[in-house]
Amino acid sequence: DTAVSQTPKYLVTQMGNDKSIKCEQNLGHDTMYWYKQDSKKFLKIMFSYNNKELIINETVPNRFSPKSPDKAHLNLHINSLELGDSAVYFCASSQRGSPTEAFFGQGTRLTVV
Amino acid sequence: AQSVTQLGSHVSVSEGALVLLRCNYSSSVPPYLFWYVQYPNQGLQLLLKYTSAATLVKGINGFEAEFKKSETSFHLTKPSAHMSDAAEYFCAVSKQQINEKLTFGTGTRLTIIP
Repeated sequence: DTAVSQTPKYLVTQMGNDKSIKCEQNLGHDTMYWYKQDSKKFLKIMFSYNNKELIINETVPNRFSPKSPDKAHLNLHINSLELGDSAVYFCASSQRGSPTEAFFGQGTRLTVV
Repeated sequence: AQSVTQLGSHVSVSEGALVLLRCNYSSSVPPYLFWYVQYPNQGLQLLLKYTSAATLVKGINGFEAEFKKSETSFHLTKPSAHMSDAAEYFCAVSKQQINEKLTFGTGTRLTIIP
């Protein structure tokens, strides 16, 4: 019974393509996040949604667009993929907008060729 | 702005020896501090957190960390390393506010020598 699940786990695609990563949490949390982990394992927040409302939007290219159809889902759509987008993308969730109990998904390894 | 610095990108200890992973933080406001563990090809799992209650925090798998304001440190320790502790460890900081993001350190890879 996975708490935060992401699909797909692996994604290999060509430059210029558009792709989506889906995330769902069954913890009843109010807030969801997307983090990016680069090849050096550095983790950085991209977006945060609280009850479907965008709360945090770090300096991420416009090609990245999060969408939250409801508070249990936060999807990440990426347009015109570039080589530099290759990374592991983690979805996470927490209760009441506090990161004190952030639960992470297993990650989606995106490789752009 | 908040940040954390993890000293030592790689740490190796013998099985049964003390584990010490260092984390220093920088924050203009009282912080929350966290240690997360990442096993190979896995997501991050919370080990422990400091949220301004007790300064000595105990977590899962026998780990603990002590918040030292005077040293701006939050080092992670475990008295006796197990082979299963081999993983990547991340220190993180956030402000004590709702809707706050986690700012991570660069991680420390812990290797256990049999």
